[in-house]
Amino acid sequence: EAGVAQSPRYKIIEKRQSVAFWCNPISGHATLYWYQQILGQGPKLLIQFQNNGVVDDSQLPKDRFSAERLKGVDSTLKIQPAKLEDSAVYLCASSLGQGRNTEAFFGQGTRLTVV
Amino acid sequence: AQSVTQLGSHVSVSEGALVLLRCNYSSSVPPYLFWYVQYPNQGLQLLLKYTSAATLVKGINGFEAEFKKSETSFHLTKPSAHMSDAAEYFCAVSDGYKLSFGAGTTVTVRA
Repeated sequence: EAGVAQSPRYKIIEKRQSVAFWCNPISGHATLYWYQQILGQGPKLLIQFQNNGVVDDSQLPKDRFSAERLKGVDSTLKIQPAKLEDSAVYLCASSLGQGRNTEAFFGQGTRLTVV
Repeated sequence: AQSVTQLGSHVSVSEGALVLLRCNYSSSVPPYLFWYVQYPNQGLQLLLKYTSAATLVKGINGFEAEFKKSETSFHLTKPSAHMSDAAEYFCAVSDGYKLSFGAGTTVTVRA
C-alpha cells in the first residue's frame, strides 16, 4: 500500500513570497490533516478535512494560509505572503475516518525555510 | 477539549537500559491514545495505539505502553534500549475526531 506522498521535500523562499505544498493521501482515507511542526515542538494541527469538507481550521492563520482538498483526494496548502515565523516542517497525514480509525499515517513532510 | 503532556523533553539512556517515556492526557471523552516516533528528516511513524481494548499495548520495535485511566497516563517503555532507538517520540490523544500531539521527548542512547 502506497503511503502519504508530499512534495516538495524542501523549499526555501524569501519573506513575503508565496509557496504551495501538495499532498496525496493513502487511497480510501477520508480524513486528511495538515500539521505545522516548528523545530523542537510537537505537530500543531492547521486544518482537517473530512472528504472534501473542512471540519476544523481553528488554528489556521486564515489571513495568509489557505488549503483545499479537491474531489476529496489530493490537497494543497498555500502560504501567501510568507513570514519568517512560518519556517517549519509541514506534515500531511491521512486516516480512514473517525472513532478508532483516527490513527494517522504521515508523509515525510515539507521543510520550509523563510529567509 | 483534549491535550497531552509529555514529561521530560530529553531522555538519555545507556544501551541495554530501560527506556521510560511519560505521557499524561486530558480528555472529556474516553480517549484513543497513540505513540509515534520521528527519525531525523522523516515523518511520524506509529509505534502503538490504545483503542479501548487491552490496557497493555504492544507495539513495534519492542515498545509497549500501559493505559491507566486512574492516573490519566499512557507511559511508553522498552526493556532494553538499542542505538537505533535514538529519535523523537510523540504521544497523541484523539477524541475520535481530532488528533492532538504532545511536545515530544528526544531520546539519546549512550554506547
